[in-house]
Amino acid sequence: SAVISQKPSRDICQRGTSLTIQCQVDSQVTMMFWYRQQPGQSLTLIATANQGSEATYESGFVIDKFPISRPNLTFSTLTVSNMSPEDSSIYLCSVKLAGVYEQYFGPGTRLTVT
Amino acid sequence: QKEVEQNSGPLSVPEGAIASLNCTYSDRVSQSFFWYRQYSGKSPELIMSIYSNGDKEDGRFTAQLNKASQYVSLLIRDSQPSDSATYLCAVNRGYGQNFVFGPGTRLSVLP
Repeated sequence: SAVISQKPSRDICQRGTSLTIQCQVDSQVTMMFWYRQQPGQSLTLIATANQGSEATYESGFVIDKFPISRPNLTFSTLTVSNMSPEDSSIYLCSVKLAGVYEQYFGPGTRLTVT
Repeated sequence: QKEVEQNSGPLSVPEGAIASLNCTYSDRVSQSFFWYRQYSGKSPELIMSIYSNGDKEDGRFTAQLNKASQYVSLLIRDSQPSDSATYLCAVNRGYGQNFVFGPGTRLSVLP
């Protein structure tokens, strides 16, 4: 597995503002993903963060709302833009290592929008 | 039909009993299946992966896969109160490497 950190661990933000979440891995990984977990719900994939190119978004998620960067093989950011209370969720990054199918999750970022 | 479904919880079992968690999936081409455990307020933790039909055992955990029936299960033997958590079933989507997660089953192991 890999050691994954996320910053911030939690934040309270006002509606209309943006928050950038960072995901850092201690080793190079082939794939990085961003998920959302709404209160009491399961995980929903937002997008796959592609190194050096635009992220691949799942249905229902758009780049203007959730811009993602992945400048190298160990780091990615997710921005939640123009936030509303409906964006209050836990945001999780996960990584996939070369040669395996498993995904490992970071500790998550708990976002509350007021 | 949802892509991944799990038996609705919460599931309560007494300490020492076997907990049985079930998952069905709709995509016949899926090849990779995973069980994650999520404690309240924590992120999901991988506990089992299975790729071939049959059983796979790891300590007190046994994963079972039946691709013909599109069914995967997790058995927890000698359940402990520390096993109380939400268990998430994840399946790869199609031929790709993205996962689809089930809604989760909350397990309570009663002392």
